[in-house]
Amino acid sequence: DIQMTQSPASLSASLGETVTIECRASEDIYSNLAWYQQKPGNSPQLLIYDANSLADGVPSRFSGSGSGTQYSLKINSLQSEDVASYFCQQYNNYNTFGAGTKLELK
Amino acid sequence: QVTLKESGPGMLQPSKTLSLTCSFSGFSLSTSGMVVSWIRQPSGKSLEWLAAIDWDGDKYYNPSLKSRLTVSKDTSNTQVFLKITSVDIADTATYYCARSQLGAGDYWGQGVMVTVSS
Repeated sequence: DIQMTQSPASLSASLGETVTIECRASEDIYSNLAWYQQKPGNSPQLLIYDANSLADGVPSRFSGSGSGTQYSLKINSLQSEDVASYFCQQYNNYNTFGAGTKLELK
Repeated sequence: QVTLKESGPGMLQPSKTLSLTCSFSGFSLSTSGMVVSWIRQPSGKSLEWLAAIDWDGDKYYNPSLKSRLTVSKDTSNTQVFLKITSVDIADTATYYCARSQLGAGDYWGQGVMVTVSS
């Protein structure tokens, strides 16, 4: 099984700040990685697929990067509506999700 | 407009079989590359992928749960089903179905809460 190690588990940032969340896979996943945003009481929403492709309707302040086993999600100019939990998912070999990052405002 | 909606029993007793239905519209599961997956999330925890079925009828299961899972679809390709046998308290979660075409789930249902309790 491919394990996804996501960090940090929680993050506090100020409006306008740049935030980075990381995921490390236990083996090469060949950029078969997605990032999701989940707000309380809602289902996950796709942000990024194939490591760096922006999903339809997602603001351009969200971006993804990485390759091999190391991937990151960056949020530029943090907005209040970005307060949420974020999850990475590998789909190279079955599917595995990271443990999640809870993003709060400072 | 793509929509998915999960339905289930709400609550069931330990050792019983959980049956879930994902009803969807706005896309065809018979389209090449289309996949519908089941994912669950215990309250306050992360997501766990359970199973998937693709346009060709091929089925995929989480290896750690495979012996307890059965995924299927109806002949009209508008519903996907998941059965989980021998449930226990650890199966208490919100269960989601999601569509994917390129691996990532681009549309998700609203989820259905399932509580296992005696």
